[in-house]
Amino acid sequence: AQRVTQPEKLLSVFKGAPVELKCNYSYSGSPELFWYVQYSRQRLQLLLRHISRESIKGFTADLNKGETSFHLKKPFAQEEDSAMYYCALTLIQGAQKLVFGQGTRLTINP
Amino acid sequence: DVKVTQSSRYLVKRTGEKVFLECVQDMDHENMFWYRQDPGLGLRLIYFSYDVKMKEKGDIPEGYSVSREKKERFSLILESASTNQTSMYLCASSTGNSYEQYFGPGTRLTVT
Repeated sequence: AQRVTQPEKLLSVFKGAPVELKCNYSYSGSPELFWYVQYSRQRLQLLLRHISRESIKGFTADLNKGETSFHLKKPFAQEEDSAMYYCALTLIQGAQKLVFGQGTRLTINP
Repeated sequence: DVKVTQSSRYLVKRTGEKVFLECVQDMDHENMFWYRQDPGLGLRLIYFSYDVKMKEKGDIPEGYSVSREKKERFSLILESASTNQTSMYLCASSTGNSYEQYFGPGTRLTVT
Protein backbone atom coordinates (compact mmCIF):
# COMPACT_ATOMS: atom_id res chain seq x y z
CA ALA A 1 0.00 0.00 0.00
CA GLN A 2 1.07 3.56 -0.55
CA ARG A 3 2.50 5.35 2.43
CA VAL A 4 3.98 8.79 2.99
CA THR A 5 6.23 9.57 5.93
CA GLN A 6 7.27 12.98 7.15
CA PRO A 7 9.70 12.25 9.98
CA GLU A 8 9.66 15.73 11.53
CA LYS A 9 6.47 16.96 13.23
CA LEU A 10 8.11 20.28 14.04
CA LEU A 11 10.92 22.16 12.34
CA SER A 12 12.29 25.48 13.44
CA VAL A 13 14.90 27.51 11.54
CA PHE A 14 16.09 31.09 11.56
CA LYS A 15 15.19 33.58 8.86
CA GLY A 16 17.70 33.44 6.04
CA ALA A 17 18.80 29.89 6.83
CA PRO A 18 18.23 26.99 4.43
CA VAL A 19 15.26 24.79 5.10
CA GLU A 20 14.56 21.19 4.14
CA LEU A 21 11.36 19.34 4.92
CA LYS A 22 11.74 15.61 4.53
CA CYS A 23 9.28 13.30 2.80
CA ASN A 24 9.69 9.60 2.11
CA TYR A 25 7.20 7.41 0.36
CA SER A 26 6.63 3.75 -0.24
CA TYR A 27 5.05 2.59 -3.43
CA SER A 28 6.31 0.16 -6.00
CA GLY A 29 4.77 1.82 -9.02
CA SER A 30 5.07 5.32 -10.46
CA PRO A 31 3.54 7.86 -8.11
CA GLU A 32 2.96 11.53 -8.59
CA LEU A 33 4.06 13.59 -5.60
CA PHE A 34 2.91 16.90 -4.22
CA TRP A 35 3.54 19.37 -1.45
CA TYR A 36 0.53 21.10 0.07
CA VAL A 37 0.76 24.03 2.49
CA GLN A 38 -1.59 25.50 5.07
CA TYR A 39 -0.79 28.99 6.33
CA SER A 40 -2.33 30.22 9.55
CA ARG A 41 -6.10 30.80 9.20
CA GLN A 42 -6.02 29.78 5.52
CA ARG A 43 -7.18 26.70 3.71
CA LEU A 44 -4.91 23.91 2.55
CA GLN A 45 -3.54 24.60 -0.92
CA LEU A 46 -1.21 23.06 -3.44
CA LEU A 47 2.35 24.36 -3.26
CA LEU A 48 4.02 22.31 -5.97
CA ARG A 49 3.99 19.01 -7.83
CA HIS A 50 7.01 17.04 -8.96
CA ILE A 51 5.90 16.64 -12.57
CA SER A 52 5.91 20.38 -13.20
CA ARG A 53 9.49 20.76 -11.89
CA GLU A 54 8.76 24.34 -10.92
CA SER A 55 9.90 26.59 -8.11
CA ILE A 56 7.08 28.14 -6.11
CA LYS A 57 7.81 30.86 -3.54
CA GLY A 58 11.46 29.82 -3.75
CA PHE A 59 10.69 26.19 -2.86
CA THR A 60 11.80 23.24 -4.96
CA ALA A 61 11.40 19.51 -4.54
CA ASP A 62 13.18 16.75 -6.39
CA LEU A 63 11.86 13.25 -6.72
CA ASN A 64 14.56 10.71 -5.87
CA LYS A 65 13.24 7.32 -6.91
CA GLY A 66 16.29 5.50 -5.59
CA GLU A 67 15.79 6.86 -2.10
CA THR A 68 11.99 7.13 -2.51
CA SER A 69 12.14 10.69 -1.26
CA PHE A 70 10.61 14.03 -2.23
CA HIS A 71 12.19 16.56 0.10
CA LEU A 72 11.11 20.20 -0.02
CA LYS A 73 13.90 22.75 0.01
CA LYS A 74 14.39 26.48 0.12
CA PRO A 75 17.81 28.12 0.30
CA PHE A 76 16.82 31.16 2.37
CA ALA A 77 13.81 30.88 4.67
CA GLN A 78 11.46 33.81 5.16
CA GLU A 79 9.11 34.47 8.06
CA GLU A 80 6.07 34.08 5.79
CA ASP A 81 7.11 30.49 5.13
CA SER A 82 5.89 29.54 8.60
CA ALA A 83 3.07 27.06 7.98
CA MET A 84 2.00 23.44 8.07
CA TYR A 85 3.38 21.42 5.17
CA TYR A 86 2.03 18.11 3.90
CA CYS A 87 3.62 15.76 1.42
CA ALA A 88 1.18 13.68 -0.63
CA LEU A 89 1.22 11.09 -3.37
CA THR A 90 -1.18 9.57 -5.82
CA LEU A 91 -0.99 6.93 -8.50
CA ILE A 92 -0.33 8.29 -11.96
CA GLN A 93 -2.92 5.94 -13.36
CA GLY A 94 -5.77 5.27 -11.08
CA ALA A 95 -8.17 6.97 -8.74
CA GLN A 96 -7.42 10.60 -8.11
CA LYS A 97 -7.22 10.22 -4.37
CA LEU A 98 -4.22 11.48 -2.41
CA VAL A 99 -2.34 9.85 0.44
CA PHE A 100 -0.97 12.46 2.84
CA GLY A 101 1.91 12.38 5.24
CA GLN A 102 1.59 13.38 8.89
CA GLY A 103 2.62 16.95 8.23
CA THR A 104 5.49 19.15 9.39
CA ARG A 105 4.94 22.45 11.16
CA LEU A 106 7.63 24.85 10.01
CA THR A 107 8.43 27.88 12.14
CA ILE A 108 10.77 30.56 10.87
CA ASN A 109 12.31 32.56 13.70
CA PRO A 110 13.24 36.21 13.11
CA ASP B 1 -11.34 30.85 -8.75
CA VAL B 2 -12.47 27.51 -7.35
CA LYS B 3 -14.65 27.89 -4.33
CA VAL B 4 -15.28 25.07 -1.89
CA THR B 5 -17.50 25.99 1.02
CA GLN B 6 -18.40 24.09 4.13
CA SER B 7 -21.60 24.73 6.05
CA SER B 8 -20.05 25.47 9.44
CA ARG B 9 -16.64 26.54 10.74
CA TYR B 10 -17.34 25.32 14.27
CA LEU B 11 -19.81 22.74 15.49
CA VAL B 12 -20.46 21.31 18.94
CA LYS B 13 -22.57 18.19 19.25
CA ARG B 14 -23.41 15.69 21.96
CA THR B 15 -22.50 12.02 21.96
CA GLY B 16 -25.08 9.99 20.08
CA GLU B 17 -26.38 12.87 17.95
CA LYS B 18 -26.66 12.56 14.18
CA VAL B 19 -24.41 15.11 12.54
CA PHE B 20 -24.44 16.45 8.98
CA LEU B 21 -21.47 18.24 7.46
CA GLU B 22 -22.16 19.88 4.12
CA CYS B 23 -19.73 20.75 1.37
CA VAL B 24 -20.48 22.65 -1.83
CA GLN B 25 -18.18 23.40 -4.77
CA ASP B 26 -18.95 25.77 -7.61
CA MET B 27 -16.57 24.55 -10.34
CA ASP B 28 -18.45 21.55 -11.68
CA HIS B 29 -15.81 19.17 -10.33
CA GLU B 30 -16.45 15.45 -10.67
CA ASN B 31 -14.48 14.34 -7.62
CA MET B 32 -15.19 15.26 -4.03
CA PHE B 33 -13.48 14.13 -0.85
CA TRP B 34 -13.89 14.17 2.91
CA TYR B 35 -10.85 14.09 5.19
CA ARG B 36 -10.26 14.45 8.86
CA GLN B 37 -7.19 16.34 10.01
CA ASP B 38 -5.63 15.44 13.35
CA PRO B 39 -2.29 16.62 14.79
CA GLY B 40 0.43 14.05 14.21
CA LEU B 41 -1.79 11.98 11.92
CA GLY B 42 -2.06 14.33 8.97
CA LEU B 43 -5.04 14.12 6.65
CA ARG B 44 -6.87 10.83 6.46
CA LEU B 45 -9.41 10.10 3.75
CA ILE B 46 -12.85 9.15 5.01
CA TYR B 47 -14.86 8.86 1.79
CA PHE B 48 -14.70 10.15 -1.74
CA SER B 49 -17.03 10.39 -4.69
CA TYR B 50 -16.19 10.53 -8.39
CA ASP B 51 -19.72 11.09 -9.65
CA VAL B 52 -23.23 11.81 -8.50
CA LYS B 53 -24.59 8.99 -6.35
CA MET B 54 -21.19 7.24 -6.49
CA LYS B 55 -19.07 6.85 -3.39
CA GLU B 56 -16.05 4.91 -2.27
CA LYS B 57 -14.62 4.25 1.15
CA GLY B 58 -11.36 5.87 2.07
CA ASP B 59 -8.97 4.76 4.76
CA ILE B 60 -11.15 5.44 7.82
CA PRO B 61 -14.84 5.11 6.85
CA GLU B 62 -16.04 3.50 10.09
CA GLY B 63 -18.67 5.57 11.83
CA TYR B 64 -19.30 7.77 8.78
CA SER B 65 -21.49 7.74 5.71
CA VAL B 66 -21.81 10.13 2.77
CA SER B 67 -24.36 11.35 0.31
CA ARG B 68 -23.96 12.91 -3.11
CA GLU B 69 -27.32 13.62 -4.69
CA LYS B 70 -26.12 16.59 -6.73
CA LYS B 71 -22.78 17.13 -8.40
CA GLU B 72 -21.92 20.23 -6.43
CA ARG B 73 -22.79 18.92 -2.97
CA PHE B 74 -21.16 16.20 -0.87
CA SER B 75 -22.41 15.53 2.64
CA LEU B 76 -20.67 13.70 5.44
CA ILE B 77 -22.93 12.06 8.02
CA LEU B 78 -22.03 10.87 11.48
CA GLU B 79 -24.89 8.54 12.34
CA SER B 80 -24.16 8.57 16.08
CA ALA B 81 -21.42 10.98 17.02
CA SER B 82 -18.76 9.82 19.45
CA THR B 83 -16.05 11.72 21.28
CA ASN B 84 -13.32 10.14 19.14
CA GLN B 85 -14.85 11.89 16.14
CA THR B 86 -13.85 15.26 17.55
CA SER B 87 -11.64 16.60 14.78
CA MET B 88 -11.17 19.09 11.95
CA TYR B 89 -13.04 17.93 8.85
CA LEU B 90 -11.88 19.07 5.43
CA CYS B 91 -13.77 18.80 2.17
CA ALA B 92 -11.99 18.92 -1.19
CA SER B 93 -12.84 18.69 -4.86
CA SER B 94 -11.01 18.08 -8.11
CA THR B 95 -11.74 17.66 -11.80
CA GLY B 96 -11.93 14.19 -13.24
CA ASN B 97 -8.48 14.22 -14.83
CA SER B 98 -6.56 16.31 -12.31
CA TYR B 99 -4.78 15.33 -9.14
CA GLU B 100 -4.85 18.85 -7.71
CA GLN B 101 -7.45 19.10 -4.99
CA TYR B 102 -9.11 22.31 -3.82
CA PHE B 103 -9.94 22.45 -0.15
CA GLY B 104 -12.66 24.06 1.87
CA PRO B 105 -11.94 26.05 5.04
CA GLY B 106 -12.72 23.12 7.33
CA THR B 107 -15.26 22.39 10.06
CA ARG B 108 -13.98 21.95 13.58
CA LEU B 109 -16.34 19.45 15.20
CA THR B 110 -16.35 18.90 18.94
CA VAL B 111 -18.35 16.00 20.33
CA THR B 112 -19.00 16.19 24.07
